[in-house]
Amino acid sequence: AQRVTQPEKLLSVFKGAPVELKCNYSYSGSPELFWYVQYSRQRLQLLLRHISRESIKGFTADLNKGETSFHLKKPFAQEEDSAMYYCALWGFQKLVFGTGTRLLVSP
Amino acid sequence: SQTIHQWPATLVQPVGSPLSLECTVEGTSNPNLYWYRQAAGRGLQLLFYSVGIGQISSEVPQNLSASRPQDRQFILSSKKLLLSDSGFYLCAWSDFRGTSAKYNEQFFGPGTRLTVL
Repeated sequence: AQRVTQPEKLLSVFKGAPVELKCNYSYSGSPELFWYVQYSRQRLQLLLRHISRESIKGFTADLNKGETSFHLKKPFAQEEDSAMYYCALWGFQKLVFGTGTRLLVSP
Repeated sequence: SQTIHQWPATLVQPVGSPLSLECTVEGTSNPNLYWYRQAAGRGLQLLFYSVGIGQISSEVPQNLSASRPQDRQFILSSKKLLLSDSGFYLCAWSDFRGTSAKYNEQFFGPGTRLTVL
């Protein structure tokens, strides 16, 4: 069975500091990974997906199969990045989410 | 454009009462549909998913059931609510693209906050 682990419930940083939200996965096949984000009073929405190898709002995520990780990174955090972030893995016909990390960016 | 609706937005129900939450999608056909529960500290737990009318897959044995009476309608039900059923329930949809389904974004509804007293 697939599993996604986000070890940090809360990550608090100052504006302009680098951010790394950790995500580790367990899956026997070739993984497809995603980051979803939920801003205050908004719907949960896709931030980025591994297959696209894109940078969205300054965030990037690299799949490391050796470490089974898909950490989300941003070099300089902004206050508007404050939100709940979920890592997700597609496997066996369904998307499995981690428990989420709340990112708080202070001025 | 596609939209997804959920209602009600909030619900307070006594223990032992029935439940019916509805989710509808507009602007697409034959979507994959999902019910999740979002609980503090437990993230998003997939409860049910459906790839077509009348086709329901259950992920977690529990007090809840789901039905898909129409292509774009997904209903979450319970005959008798438990305290542990309290939570935030999210409906989502995605396009079905066969083998490329794994790349597809899931679109989430606004959610229903259920409190069982």
